[in-house]
Amino acid sequence: ELKVEQNPLFLSMQEGKNYTIYCNYSTTSDRLYWYRQDPGKSLESLFVLLSNGAVKQEGRLMASLDTKARLSTLHITAAVHDLSATYFCAVDLWASYGGATNKLIFGTGTLLAVQP
Amino acid sequence: DADVTQTPRNRITKTGKRIMLECSQTKGHDRMYWYRQDPGLGLRLIYYSFDVKDINKGEISDGYSVSRQAQAKFSLSLESAIPNQTALYFCATSDGGGGMNEQFFGPGTRLTVL
Repeated sequence: ELKVEQNPLFLSMQEGKNYTIYCNYSTTSDRLYWYRQDPGKSLESLFVLLSNGAVKQEGRLMASLDTKARLSTLHITAAVHDLSATYFCAVDLWASYGGATNKLIFGTGTLLAVQP
Repeated sequence: DADVTQTPRNRITKTGKRIMLECSQTKGHDRMYWYRQDPGLGLRLIYYSFDVKDINKGEISDGYSVSRQAQAKFSLSLESAIPNQTALYFCATSDGGGGMNEQFFGPGTRLTVL
């Protein structure tokens, strides 16, 4: 059974600081997704990571994937208040024959609060 | 106009009632999904469909059923609603086909079962 764990679950940080959110998963997969959710809103796709060593960057956010360690990180650089949201990672459940099933297992989310 | 729409956006119902949540998409995607979101539990997959004739159970399908009326429409039914089905429900779509399979989410339906 694939389990996806994020930490921390809650992160309060000051503007201008850097921090990293971690996403660990328990079984093989080569596909991982990061989403953002604002309070009361839907999920917005941030990054799609499709292979070992994949790195994607958009603005102050950078995501990476290490499939051997079964770990993805979302790094926040010089945080600003607008980044306050809940961030989810989701892992594509890998089939026994070796390949994506396109079924996503989500982590429980990291609530990020950026304080001025 | 939104690519993925859900109706209703909010619904309050009573225990034992049958209700239907609807999802429509204009993205032309073959794959559609229903999730529920509970505080502290992230999103969990209820059902998914990779084309009109393909319906599959997800992690938590008990108490739910679905219908894929067309490529663009996927509805979720609660046959006899119970209070622990109170949650935020999301529909999502993706293009599958060996691509990125990035899933795009609708705005959500907030369901309260009294």
